[in-house]
Amino acid sequence: QVQLVQSGAEVKKPGASAKVSCKASGYSFTTYAIHWVRQAPGQRLEWMGWINVGSGNTKSSQKFQGRVTITRDTSASTVNMELSSLRSEDTAVYYCAIEITNWFDPWGQGTLVTVSS
Amino acid sequence: QSALTQPRSVSGSPGQSVTISCTGTSSDVGGYNYVSWYQQHPGKAPRRMIYDVNKRPSGVPDRFSGSKSGNTASLTISGLQAEDEADYYCCSYAGSYTWVFGGGTKLIVL
Repeated sequence: QVQLVQSGAEVKKPGASAKVSCKASGYSFTTYAIHWVRQAPGQRLEWMGWINVGSGNTKSSQKFQGRVTITRDTSASTVNMELSSLRSEDTAVYYCAIEITNWFDPWGQGTLVTVSS
Repeated sequence: QSALTQPRSVSGSPGQSVTISCTGTSSDVGGYNYVSWYQQHPGKAPRRMIYDVNKRPSGVPDRFSGSKSGNTASLTISGLQAEDEADYYCCSYAGSYTWVFGGGTKLIVL
């Protein structure tokens, strides 16, 4: 079945970068776009950006422009999301999700990134 | 890009119906029929419940329904069950290949 499996939890210091990976299986990898959504503790879901896996084109929310980089490795069926210049407010669970014409399903299991000195 | 507006919480007794609203603008909810709804239980990933305003994927009970009027979309859950207690988020396409989520609504089953 279609599945996304994310990398494990990370602890980072302020100013560092975090890279979260999302491995897809169960379908032809280049068929669907993959999005990144984060959720700070007790807070709402927040859309971060997406990648057209076929072309490699990306788009991110204005809030994260300049700090987020989304890439794909077609040989490994993996999408990576790197967030730089981390601050404490970036502590959150980061999810990847497949987009099927403007809706998201399925989602990865989530990756907790903790930013702490 | 501001979050879509949802009530912080709604409640209902088992068997009753509740409706969760999601208000945006003509640039997102009102401009496209691409509103989706997600259910999230504590510590779990979101689960898609409704897409394209009112379409229900297989596996989702027909107690869940969606609608839209102007800049406001709604999720209605009828015949409330204990397992429906969760957080619910709306999401809309917002143009220029961007998306926006709502602030989330906690559904309490009394």
